[in-house]
Amino acid sequence: AQSVTQPDIHITVSEGASLELRCNYSYGATPYLFWYVQSPGQGLQLLLKYFSGDTLVQGIKGFEAEFKRSQSSFNLRKPSVHWSDAAEYFCAVGPSMYSGGGADGLTFGKGTHLIIQP
Amino acid sequence: NAGVTQTPKFRVLKTGQSMTLLCAQDMNHEYMYWYRQDPGMGLRLIHYSVGEGTTAKGEVPDGYNVSRLKKQNFLLGLESAAPSQTSVYFCASRIRSGRQPNNEQFFGPGTRLTVL
Repeated sequence: AQSVTQPDIHITVSEGASLELRCNYSYGATPYLFWYVQSPGQGLQLLLKYFSGDTLVQGIKGFEAEFKRSQSSFNLRKPSVHWSDAAEYFCAVGPSMYSGGGADGLTFGKGTHLIIQP
Repeated sequence: NAGVTQTPKFRVLKTGQSMTLLCAQDMNHEYMYWYRQDPGMGLRLIHYSVGEGTTAKGEVPDGYNVSRLKKQNFLLGLESAAPSQTSVYFCASRIRSGRQPNNEQFFGPGTRLTVL
């Protein structure tokens, strides 16, 4: 069965500092990978996604993520965080068309709560 | 184009009451999903549907029923609500696999349900 691990429950970063949120996945085939962000009381917004090709993907709000197959990781990065980045971040994995596709839902990690210090 | 909408946004139930959550999408997506979100647990899949008249169980289906009578609507029912079902419920939809290499799910804004 697939799984997603986000090792850090909370991360505190100073405004203007760089950020890296970790995500490790377990999946039997080539997966699709996603990062979502959720502000308090809000729904989920897609930050970026990886399907194939270039392993470094760019997303919205200045975020990027790197897919490393050998490490089963898909870490999210941002060079300089803003106070508005404070939110909950979720990594998710889903079936790809290259692995047979399928209607399976996404498997989410438990989330990382990002706190921004002034 | 409203995307994915959910009704209601908030609801408080007493133990044993029943209710139905409605999810609607206007993107002509074949697949639809119901998730629940609990603190420290991320999102977990309850049920999903690949088309009208077809549903399937996800990771945490117990205590819930679903129906997909129309392509654009996916209903989640609680026949006898329990406090353990206090959660935020998210609906999502996506296109059928194979139509294009993109299985991004589009999420609704969520329904916050409290069972007393």
